[in-house]
Order: sequence, then structure tokens, then C-alpha cells
Amino acid sequence: ILNVEQSPQSLHVQEGDSTNFTCSFPSSNFYALHWYRWETAKSPEALFVMTLNGDEKKKGRISATLNTKEGYSYLYIKGSQPEDSATYLCALLAGANNLFFGTGTRLTVIP
Amino acid sequence: ETGVTQTPRHLVMGMTNKKSLKCEQHLGHNAMYWYKQSAKKPLELMFVYSLEERVENNSVPSRFSPECPNSSHLFLHLHTLQPEDSALYLCASSQGDPSYNEQFFGPGTRLTVL
Repeated sequence: ILNVEQSPQSLHVQEGDSTNFTCSFPSSNFYALHWYRWETAKSPEALFVMTLNGDEKKKGRISATLNTKEGYSYLYIKGSQPEDSATYLCALLAGANNLFFGTGTRLTVIP
Repeated sequence: ETGVTQTPRHLVMGMTNKKSLKCEQHLGHNAMYWYKQSAKKPLELMFVYSLEERVENNSVPSRFSPECPNSSHLFLHLHTLQPEDSALYLCASSQGDPSYNEQFFGPGTRLTVL
């Protein structure tokens, strides 16, 4: 079992604020890093799959960066909206099919 | 809708019951997964099937028995479960190399073992 840590566990931001959170993982076991967004009562939904050191991906107001040498990834949300409220999960792919998930960052955007 | 469905959505069973969870994907994917999420724990991978063959079995107790009859369907057969097996069970599917391709999740089955 690999330890994938996410911080903070939860945060509240005002609508319009930008925010970011961290995913840390053991850098020696890296194949790929996945980010998922999980809204209450819905299915987890993929945001990004990142494989290369220095990778930066963007989808609308959400972006992510990856540092495989030091073992971390940041997820950024610009101009948070209430519909961004969800739990954001990162997962380390450490073998052919084995995804190890963190416990997530629960984001609440206050209107 | 993600293209992955799970039934039932909620299940309550006694420790001596036998039940099955069903997952179906309508995406033409070639890999399917079972995950378990217990309260305040991360999602844990239980089983992986690729091209209908089991490729991962992460030390899951034998009271959980997976079955993948074809690439679109995945079952999790449950028997003599314990109360600590109460959790959310998620199914997912993906196509090709998971290094590059995301997983698509179903809505989950909330299982309560009495």
C-alpha cells in the first residue's frame, strides 16, 4: 500500500476566490497521477491524467501541475464557483493497473 | 451519466446472506475495477479485470468473489460478510493503458451488513 496524502482535508472559500490544494506521493513509485472530482451523490469524474515531470494541464478554470522528482501535484481552481464544491481526489498509478487514492480535499464554495 | 451503471444502489444484508452487486459499462472499455470506500478511508482497489481476465486481487478476503462474464459486465458476489464490510462499493471501467486513460466510475452501491 502506498501513502498518497492530500492537503488540506477540507476548505471553504468565497465565490470568486482562487484556491489550490496539494497531493503528495512517493516519487519512486510513479507511473501516472490521476485527479478526480467527486460531487455528493454522483460518481467520481476524471479531471486529469498526468505522466510527465513538469506536466501542466488545464480544463476551464481548473489546472494541475506535476513534480515527479519531489513527489507532488497541485490542483488550482481560478475564480471558484458554487458548482465547484466537491471532493477532489488524486490517485497514484504505481503499477499496471493499481491506483492508490488519497482521502481527498473537500471544497465548499460559499456563494 | 458516466456510462457505468451499478445495481442495486443500496443493499442491506445479514451476515449469513448471499448477495451480488452488478456493474455494467456501455463505453466499450476493456478493463473493469471494483473499489471499496469505508468511512474516512481512501478508495481501495479490490479487483481489476483486463480483457475479462483478473489481473489484480489486492488481498481481498475470499468472502468477496468477483466475476467478469464479458467485457461489459462485472459482478461482486458477497457471502458471510462482516459488519466491517459495510461501505460504498464502486465499479469503474477504462480503455487501454491506465497510465494515459482515466477511469469512469459508476454511482456505487451502499452496502450495510447487519
